[in-house]
Amino acid sequence: AQSVTQLDSQVPVFEEAPVELRCNYSSSVSVYLFWYVQYPNQGLQLLLKYLSGSTLVKGINGFEAEFNKSQTSFHLRKPSVHISDTAEYFCAVRPNTGFQKLVFGTGTRLLVSP
Amino acid sequence: NAGVTQTPKFRVLKTGQSMTLLCAQDMNHEYMYWYRQDPGMGLRLIHYSVGEGTTAKGEVPDGYNVSRLKKQNFLLGLESAAPSQTSVYFCASSYGRENRDIQYFGAGTRLSVL
Repeated sequence: AQSVTQLDSQVPVFEEAPVELRCNYSSSVSVYLFWYVQYPNQGLQLLLKYLSGSTLVKGINGFEAEFNKSQTSFHLRKPSVHISDTAEYFCAVRPNTGFQKLVFGTGTRLLVSP
Repeated sequence: NAGVTQTPKFRVLKTGQSMTLLCAQDMNHEYMYWYRQDPGMGLRLIHYSVGEGTTAKGEVPDGYNVSRLKKQNFLLGLESAAPSQTSVYFCASSYGRENRDIQYFGAGTRLSVL
């Protein structure tokens, strides 16, 4: 079975500062990795995904994530955050074979203040 | 562009009452999902459907039933609500098997069971 760990439940940061949201996963098989974002009072939307190829993945709104197989991590980064980035961010994983379902982490709330 | 629409947005039930949550999507997606979101637990899959007339159990199916009589609709039923079912419920949909990880979410239904 797969599992996803997001150790930081909340990350406060000032506007224009860089941010990193951590995600580690556990799986005995190769996986696909995803980050979803949930803005206040909205559903989740896909931010970026890693399926194969380059380990550095760029997503929407200036976010990027790096897949590190040896450390089983998929951390999300942004060099300069905006107030509008305040949201909850979910890391998700799925085995890359067979019909498997997404497994979500518990989420990290990013709080951007002026 | 409605996307995924959930009805109702809020509901308060008494223990033992029943209700149905409606999810409608206008993107001609094959796959549909019901999740619940609880603090500190992320999203957990309740039931899902890979096509009209088909349903399958997810991670936490007990106490819920679903139906997919029409491709665009996915209903989630609670026959006898319990306080443990207090949660935020999200419906999602995706294209067929090859793009099932790109899920489009509704805005959620906040349910309280007293």
